[in-house]
Formats: sequence, C-alpha cells, structure tokens
Amino acid sequence: DAEITQSPRHKITETGRQVTLACHQTWNHNNMFWYRQDLGHGLRLIHYSYGVQDTNKGEVSDGYSVSRSNTEDLPLTLESAASSQTSVYFCASSTQGGETQYFGPGTRLLVL
Amino acid sequence: GQNIDQPTEMTATEGAIVQINCTYQTSGFNGLFWYQQHAGEAPTFLSYNVLDGLEEKGRFSSFLSRSKGYSYLLLKELQMKDSASYLCAVRDSNYQLIWGAGTKLIIKP
Repeated sequence: DAEITQSPRHKITETGRQVTLACHQTWNHNNMFWYRQDLGHGLRLIHYSYGVQDTNKGEVSDGYSVSRSNTEDLPLTLESAASSQTSVYFCASSTQGGETQYFGPGTRLLVL
Repeated sequence: GQNIDQPTEMTATEGAIVQINCTYQTSGFNGLFWYQQHAGEAPTFLSYNVLDGLEEKGRFSSFLSRSKGYSYLLLKELQMKDSASYLCAVRDSNYQLIWGAGTKLIIKP
C-alpha cells in the first residue's frame, strides 16, 4: 500500500546543531509539504514543493531548508536548531491540483 | 491578515449530535477542509466543501456559506472514538491551506 513515512519519530538535540528530518512518500505525489504544529496554533507551513527541483517558502520558513531531488523525498533541515523549533513536524503530500493532503505520522523534536 | 476561528474545546455526550463551527477571513477562497486528528496522531481528511451547502458523508456532514465566511462540521450519533481534535482549513488564493487551531471534542458516556 502507498504511504508516507517520517523519520525519526522522536528526536532530542541541542541548540546550534544541524538536524534533518526525513519524509518519504510512495504515493507518487508531485506536491509535498512540511508543517509544524504547536499548542494554540494551527498547522503552519514551513516549506513546500510542487515537483522535483521545486521548493518554496511557507509562512514560517526562517531557520529551515528543504531540497527535492526526487519525487519520493522531501527532507527538512534545521540549519542551527533553536529552542523555538521544539515542535511536532508533519510532512504531507497531495496530487497535483489534488484536494486532499495525506499526512505522515509526525516527528516530535525537542531542542535543548 | 488571514484568520480561521473555531472553538478551542467542546464537550458532548455519546449518542448525541454536535456542531463545530468555523469562521474564516482569507485572501481568496478555493475550498474548505475538515480534518480529524486523534491525540498523538496525524490529521486525516474528513470533508471538502467548495460550493455553498451541505455535504453529507455517513455520520459526518459539513456545511459551507461562502458569503458569511462560515462552515460547520456536524457529527451525529457520537461515539467515544470521535473524541479528537477537528481542524478547519481554507485553501487561499495561492492554493495554500490556512489552518485553524483546532477544536478538541470530548465525548462523555
């Protein structure tokens, strides 16, 4: 069955370290998204991609970067982790022009 | 600015009906979505409205009024497994989803 996975599921890191969160989907979807979810806030878009070699900044992109070298993967990198980046991170994908986004299980990141 | 408002928390009784409201102010409108999210899990798609009116899907229905910037999600015959957060999201003129903070629904026996 097609799916979307994230790894690691839980991560503890220290401020200043570089961290990469993986997202892999086997839906063959063109569109992929990274969100963060914090208490009291809705999901907030970090970066998104509409296809290979395409990346775009979302609402809260500062301190994050992504790259899209193939259809299946969109890794999210925190260049220098900060305590404000402690959050739950969700990856999602959808077809081009699709109505529904399918979410991965999430990564809980704690920055100490 | 863009804004999605929904109640923070609601409580209902098993077997009853509950309506979760969502109001929005966004730059453009290209559809409204409802997602369900159980604690510690990923959001899962429930419904999509782009035209005014009611969309029914089993025990769940979703209503949209574009002129009022308003939607609701109606859950009938509530079950304990319906205890979850319900997220309202609007797709704006850039086809990006703008999300509300979610409504935590507590079902009591």
